[in-house]
Amino acid sequence: NAGVMQNPRHLVRRRGQEARLRCSPMKGHSHVYWYRQLPEEGLKFMVYLQKENIIDESGMPKERFSAEFPKEGPSILRIQQVVRGDSAAYFCASSPPTVTDTQYFGPGTRLTVL
Amino acid sequence: KQEVTQIPAALSVPEGENLVLNCSFTDSAIYNLQWFRQDPGKGLTSLLLIQSSQREQTSGRLNASLDKSSGRSTLYIAASQPGDSATYLCAVRHRNFNKFYFGSGTKLNVKP
Repeated sequence: NAGVMQNPRHLVRRRGQEARLRCSPMKGHSHVYWYRQLPEEGLKFMVYLQKENIIDESGMPKERFSAEFPKEGPSILRIQQVVRGDSAAYFCASSPPTVTDTQYFGPGTRLTVL
Repeated sequence: KQEVTQIPAALSVPEGENLVLNCSFTDSAIYNLQWFRQDPGKGLTSLLLIQSSQREQTSGRLNASLDKSSGRSTLYIAASQPGDSATYLCAVRHRNFNKFYFGSGTKLNVKP
């Protein structure tokens, strides 16, 4: 059973471009979470999705950020018109529906905005 | 709102020492608490998961305790080794919100 997969692992964008980050959850996991880690800080929750539904997006910036988890395919975190402050590591985690279970984290995508 | 604090922010010890990392949280309504290890530029490795009904969990040289009523957890590392050098993150899963709240981590350096 492969772990949580994220791609790309490293992404470089210029200011104003779009960034698309992908996350494939573990097999059998229907819940996906996105977290952001700024340098020297802990992880901050961004959004929680189930298939075709956004359950909690309380950590998402109101503008330029969006997330989806379609019926087929990976979850996508999309950042439009990136700015230097978006440079961070973005981690995806997945879990089965049981809330007492842990979340399994992917290796992260490191976004650098030039 | 759940706040998670980790003390100390950084720790440097000689090899072989036993050490304790601390984590505190403000809201005791949690499902579980988890300790992770993060190596530079890498993802998170789960070390120990403690359910809210449990008091402690052990894995090898690691022991984690949980005192939910006081909002505290400790990670005890016995006989530390240079390979233990990493950042250790504590995260709590809130009972009403299906997400983890993370501390800022303790950066551990074990000197040979």
